[in-house]
Amino acid sequence: DLQMTQSPSTLSASVGDRVTITCRASQSIDIWLAWYQQKPGKAPKLLIYKASILESGVPSRFSGSGSGTEFTLTISSLQPDDFATYYCQQYSNYQRTFGPGTSVEI
Amino acid sequence: EVQLVQSGGGLVQPGGSLKLSCTASGFTFSNYWMSWVRQTPGEGLEWVANIKQDGSERFYVESVKGRFTISRDNAKKSLYLQMTSLGAEDTAVYYCARALTVATNEYFAHWGQGALVTVSS
Repeated sequence: DLQMTQSPSTLSASVGDRVTITCRASQSIDIWLAWYQQKPGKAPKLLIYKASILESGVPSRFSGSGSGTEFTLTISSLQPDDFATYYCQQYSNYQRTFGPGTSVEI
Repeated sequence: EVQLVQSGGGLVQPGGSLKLSCTASGFTFSNYWMSWVRQTPGEGLEWVANIKQDGSERFYVESVKGRFTISRDNAKKSLYLQMTSLGAEDTAVYYCARALTVATNEYFAHWGQGALVTVSS
């Protein structure tokens, strides 16, 4: 089974910080990766797909990179609205799987 | 505006059944793949099933095959998830979700508000 991992599981940061979250796949998924942001009590929100394409309306401080088995989500300057949990999701096969999440805390 | 409004969650006994519904508005429902995704505190997010625009193709996560059935009624702009033989491991918030474009089914651009399903005696 294709497994996704994320690091760190929790990240403490301040407004204005540059933040990087890593997602790793247990086997190559090419560029078939999406990133989501989720706030408590809300549904996830799509940020990035195909590893690096920003969804419409998502601020440009978010960026994604990587291919194969290692991917990163970067927030260039953390804003108050960005404190949330972030998930990666692979779609290289029909059994889409999510990473366990990274909580970005103040 | 794309909207997905869910109904049908609740408390069900182990071994029981429940049907979730999701009604769409703000887009041409029949043009899009639709999916169900669930979330548990312990296991995080898990894709459950998806269905092609005309219902001709359906895919499921292994853990629900043979127990859950995804379906749709394009005339009613509605998506369904029939769940049977429910166990404690199925306790979760269930989301319906829409693909980003008519040509994609791999990731989820629009989500319902979620419906809590609790399996307990």
